[in-house]
Amino acid sequence: DAKTTQPPSMDCAEGRAANLPCNHSTISGNEYVYWYRQIHSQGPQYIIHGLKNNETNEMASLIITEDRKSSTLILPHATLRDTAVYYCIVRSLNAGGTSYGKLTFGQGTILTVHP
Amino acid sequence: DTAVSQTPKYLVTQMGNDKSIKCEQNLGHDTMYWYKQDSKKFLKIMFSYNNKELIINETVPNRFSPKSPDKAHLNLHINSLELGDSAVYFCASSQDGSGRASVFGPGTRLTVL
Repeated sequence: DAKTTQPPSMDCAEGRAANLPCNHSTISGNEYVYWYRQIHSQGPQYIIHGLKNNETNEMASLIITEDRKSSTLILPHATLRDTAVYYCIVRSLNAGGTSYGKLTFGQGTILTVHP
Repeated sequence: DTAVSQTPKYLVTQMGNDKSIKCEQNLGHDTMYWYKQDSKKFLKIMFSYNNKELIINETVPNRFSPKSPDKAHLNLHINSLELGDSAVYFCASSQDGSGRASVFGPGTRLTVL
């Protein structure tokens, strides 16, 4: 799976949009971009994933650049409860063998939402 | 309504003991996983099971033995516990191994004294 690079930390004011960047310059054609987050002391929570088109769900939006070498997770109206570590993960949807279902977590971005 | 549950939530034990952590999912998923999160918060996969068969073993010491009695359960047994085994262990499940969203349990914090 391709390696990802994220800033170690970011701040955001409550009610504002939080834009979390991720670089994945070695991404290959069959690899998807996944975002998870981990709120303190809880298990990781799936947020969103995409291949090349922008995606939106009830939690967030995912913007993937045309060359797919980077992406941005957008939380449109951040709340205090969005304070968490956000992980950007790249993996193949068709991975088999020893990569079956495996998620490789990096260090992530610590997002702090302040009042 | 809990999707992925783990017991116990906290486990404190002495070095050399043997302990088990249980995991159950009620999502009908056919793939289950164990992840370990160490003191530096680095989260890493340990095992993956698909339909009760071991798929991934990430060079975990053989003191760790997962057991899957059925598709809904994946238990983790640890023999001869060491200080370095102290960590938070997360169970997860997914519909299959194709990368659809994995659902994680709440974690079990293991402390070895």
